Amino acid sequence: DTEVTQTPKHLVMGMTNKKSLKCEQHMGHRAMYWYKQKAKKPPELMFVYSYEKLSINESVPSRFSPECPNSSLLNLHLHALQPEDSALYLCASSPGPLAYEQYFGPGTRLTVT
Amino acid sequence: SQQGEEDPQALSIQEGENATMNCSYKTSINNLQWYRQNSGRGLVHLILIRSNEREKHSGRLRVTLDTSKKSSSLLITASRAADTASYFCATDRGSARQLTFGSGTQLTVLP
Repeated sequence: DTEVTQTPKHLVMGMTNKKSLKCEQHMGHRAMYWYKQKAKKPPELMFVYSYEKLSINESVPSRFSPECPNSSLLNLHLHALQPEDSALYLCASSPGPLAYEQYFGPGTRLTVT
Repeated sequence: SQQGEEDPQALSIQEGENATMNCSYKTSINNLQWYRQNSGRGLVHLILIRSNEREKHSGRLRVTLDTSKKSSSLLITASRAADTASYFCATDRGSARQLTFGSGTQLTVLP
């Protein structure tokens, strides 16, 4: 299995809602990433997990809370988001923290109303 | 923050023509990668070129790297409609080899 899967594909949430994005890979990769991508812009790194531990937080607001329950799964918990948080959220994985190539999932299109 | 800029921002060509896009970056690198993104989808890794390499080929792709000018180019030969996508260069930084993407080139190949 050489795929990174993300659910849901689309999510619409109000500013007071709590929701979660899910990412899964079964390639045995030990590094996982969350990116945010606004329309017509490049992806911007949010978080890096290495061996299930958070290693990088790119100064992301606390309304985004990542979680890595096991080596195959990565969640992003969302709470009290703002309309400007509407974006495509991409998950990626790589064989290890020192590997270069990253494998991306198809993304979750998030709309905050 | 963006490490690099890409040009052109948008490129439209006929099927069968070659497409060239350029990437410039600011700091020294270990390697440079190119990714493709179909509209609203995830990114796909295309090719990686190391800082000590000047040119690399993969199928219809040719990548060059000029570290003295801090620039790279991606050439797609004999383009196809299926090559229509956004193309991003990416450099890595930091202890976790965090990727920083360039601004991207939107390529449209007309049938």
